[in-house]
Amino acid sequence: DIQMTQSPSSVSASVGDRVTITCRASQGIGSWLAWYQQKPGKAPKLLIYGASSLQSGVPSRFSGSGSGTDFTLTISSLQPEDFATYFCQEANSFPLTFGGGTKVEIK
Amino acid sequence: QVQLQESGPGLVKPSQTLSLTCTVSGGSLNIGGPYWTWIRQHPGKGLEWIGNIYYSGNTNYNPSLKSRVTISIDTSTNQFSLKLSSVTAADTAVYYCATSYDTPPEHAFDIWGQGTMVTVSS
Repeated sequence: DIQMTQSPSSVSASVGDRVTITCRASQGIGSWLAWYQQKPGKAPKLLIYGASSLQSGVPSRFSGSGSGTDFTLTISSLQPEDFATYFCQEANSFPLTFGGGTKVEIK
Repeated sequence: QVQLQESGPGLVKPSQTLSLTCTVSGGSLNIGGPYWTWIRQHPGKGLEWIGNIYYSGNTNYNPSLKSRVTISIDTSTNQFSLKLSSVTAADTAVYYCATSYDTPPEHAFDIWGQGTMVTVSS
């Protein structure tokens, strides 16, 4: 199985801050990487697929980058509705695996 | 707009079989492209991929659950189902159905059900 390791596990930030979350795969996965946002009691929401492609309807302040084993999700200017937990996911090889999550909290 | 909805018992006794159904609306299961997937999330924890099924009936399962999991599809009712046998308290989780409807061949899940909480307890 491919292990996905996210860091940090939590981050405290203020509205307007730039926030960066990283995800590392235990082996190369090309660009087969997705990012999700999850709010309490809700299903995850797809933000990014193909490591850097923005899902339709997702604000442009979200961006993804990376390939191979190292990936980044960046929120350029944090908005109140962005406080949530974010997960990365390897999107090609079975079993598909998720990172442990990064909780973005209000500072 | 394709939508997914999970249904099934919220309480299952230990050693019994957990059975859930996902109903697809706004689109057809019987198309090439998307895989129809089950994912679970233990309380306060991360996400675990359980397995998926293609419209043809081909399945893929997580090796950690493979001996206990069966995913099936019924294109006539536009539903796919999950059965997990010999459950224990460790199977208590929110179960989601999901699909990569507009993102294949990548398995990036753009459509999710709302999730259903299943508790294993006597």
